[in-house]
Amino acid sequence: DADVTQTPRNRITKTGKRIMLECSQTKGHDRMYWYRQDPGLGLRLIYYSFDVKDINKGEISDGYSVSRQAQAKFSLSLESAIPNQTALYFCATSEWGVTYNEQFFGPGTRLTVL
Amino acid sequence: KNEVEQSPQNLTAQEGEFITINCSYSVGISALHWLQQHPGGGIVSLFMLSSGKKKHGRLIATINIQEKHSSLHITASHPRDSAVYICAGYTGNQFYFGTGTSLTVIP
Repeated sequence: DADVTQTPRNRITKTGKRIMLECSQTKGHDRMYWYRQDPGLGLRLIYYSFDVKDINKGEISDGYSVSRQAQAKFSLSLESAIPNQTALYFCATSEWGVTYNEQFFGPGTRLTVL
Repeated sequence: KNEVEQSPQNLTAQEGEFITINCSYSVGISALHWLQQHPGGGIVSLFMLSSGKKKHGRLIATINIQEKHSSLHITASHPRDSAVYICAGYTGNQFYFGTGTSLTVIP
């Protein structure tokens, strides 16, 4: 079984709808991240969390919110989806307290906003 | 201006060739992460290094902290190496990603 899972894998929605992307991990890592990937722009950080009580905005947090329900679960919400939020979304985890905090990625969620 | 720059953006090689992908960064980092993204979209960690050189199979990663530069080398390239290779600088809190190098290896 995959260590980092994301649901759904694909989602088509309409402008103005609220949607939630979910991420679960079995690696026991404290740190979790949400990124979006757009062609030619690379991965950009939306939000990150270092533990259940810690939530931090990333580079492009406007229009998004997150919830860290447990160490293993980190959800990303789009409050009112707009077409320029069409992108590939990745969740990632890393370990706390290790010199090299290698990231492990989920399979990605392809979101299309019409 | 991106904190992490990669070159080249696109690379086509014949099977068996030696390949080099470069990564330069302007932010202060504690480590550099190399990742591979296959056409299906999945992202896999290759190396994370803060000094010197690391080797795994046909892949070699080097970093020069003073020059703020890292390279990823692939020896005896194979069509299955075709993917996007991404470098990311780690500051201790966040990762800053390059835009990736798209590699195509032709049989």
